[in-house]
Formats: sequence, C-alpha cells, structure tokens
Amino acid sequence: GQQLNQSPQSMFIQEGEDVSMNCTSSSIFNTWLWYKQDPGEGPVLLIALYKAGELTSNGRLTAQFGITRKDSFLNISASIPSDVGIYFCAGLPTGTASKLTFGTGTRLQVTL
Amino acid sequence: ETGVTQSPTHLIKTRGQQVTLRCSSQSGHNTVSWYQQALGQGPQFIFQYYREEENGRGNFPPRFSGLQFPNYSSELNVNALELDDSALYLCASSLAPAPGVGETQYFGPGTRLLVL
Repeated sequence: GQQLNQSPQSMFIQEGEDVSMNCTSSSIFNTWLWYKQDPGEGPVLLIALYKAGELTSNGRLTAQFGITRKDSFLNISASIPSDVGIYFCAGLPTGTASKLTFGTGTRLQVTL
Repeated sequence: ETGVTQSPTHLIKTRGQQVTLRCSSQSGHNTVSWYQQALGQGPQFIFQYYREEENGRGNFPPRFSGLQFPNYSSELNVNALELDDSALYLCASSLAPAPGVGETQYFGPGTRLLVL
C-alpha cells in the first residue's frame, strides 16, 4: 500500500537538542496529522493541521502544513528522554473514505 | 488515554484459522477505521465504518471483513489466516459530520496477532 516518504528514517540526538523531521507526498491532503508510537502501543496524536500554511504548536512540538499541501514537518525543541519513540506523519484526504495514509516513520533515540 | 480499547492484546493462531478482533470506540464516535501495521512499517488502512456501514476499503482481500455496532463497538474478522497476516491490528475512532469528511482519528493500543 501507499506510504508517505518520511525522513530521516532514524536519528540519534543528545538530550536538549532540537529535532526536525519531514514528510512528503505525491498526493494532496486536506489534513496532516503527526503521531508518536511507543513499542507495543497504538499511535498517539500529537498535532493536527487542517489548512495549508498552518503552523501549530503543542508544548515543545511545532508542526507546519506545507503550502503545496503535499508536505509537512515536525520540530521538537529541547528533546528529553521521553521523546524516544517512532514518529509518524499521516495524511487525510477528503473522499469516499477518510483513510489515513501513513509515513514510513522516524525512529528517535535520545542519548543523555 | 484515547478512550479507545481493543481486545485481546495478543493472539496466536495457526494458518487457515479464523480470528475476530474487537474494538470499543470513544463514546459518541460514529466512525471506526481498522489498520494493519507490520513490523517496522506504518499502519496500512484496511477499511472504515461510518454508522454501521462500510465506507471505503484499502487493498485487502475479502477475507478481511468487519462489523460496527450501535454501542460504539466493532469487530475485524480475518478468515483463512496466512503467515503474512501477522501484524499489529489497530482500530481508530473518530466523529465525522458526514461519511468521508476529514476527521481526527484516535487509536487504540492494538492487538498483536501472530500466525504460525
């Protein structure tokens, strides 16, 4: 099935550093969502974006909905150990079925 | 806590068997979507139900079927299990003003299925 291109695939960073990851698609989406998934758990919604160009923050997390509606990025500032996990972007079209199309994931590991 | 629960948490089956996975949506949510997540991959859309009717399907064969009930619970049934069906199965609930209208989906913790 289709998956969005997400980069980087994985990253090691030091505690306190800022993190950036992005997601690109060949299709247009009307909503972009960012999820975090811990091992053995379901994805947990971090940020939802509903309009092209929108910039939204949730604590140390900031995400933007690209102007072309084909991309989005997520920034995490001042990373802490509990940021460890896999981050997924997901695009939501409007249509017959609002199926989420997920990215390939970015695995974040934080070193002390 | 998303308010979405799934059962069982883990399950082991053998090839050819049938399995039923269950999901309890957030109260009031009229839409449930099911996803399959293979190890190391992002979730893949299986199908969606809106007010107890199927509202779209991904690239999964007919042996994957589902039901949604008025009490916000739903089921995913898989017949004739294959080894490749081993995965984490996630349900997500949402409140949509109309079928197909974009909405935010909240995921349950998943059921991990192993097919031997």
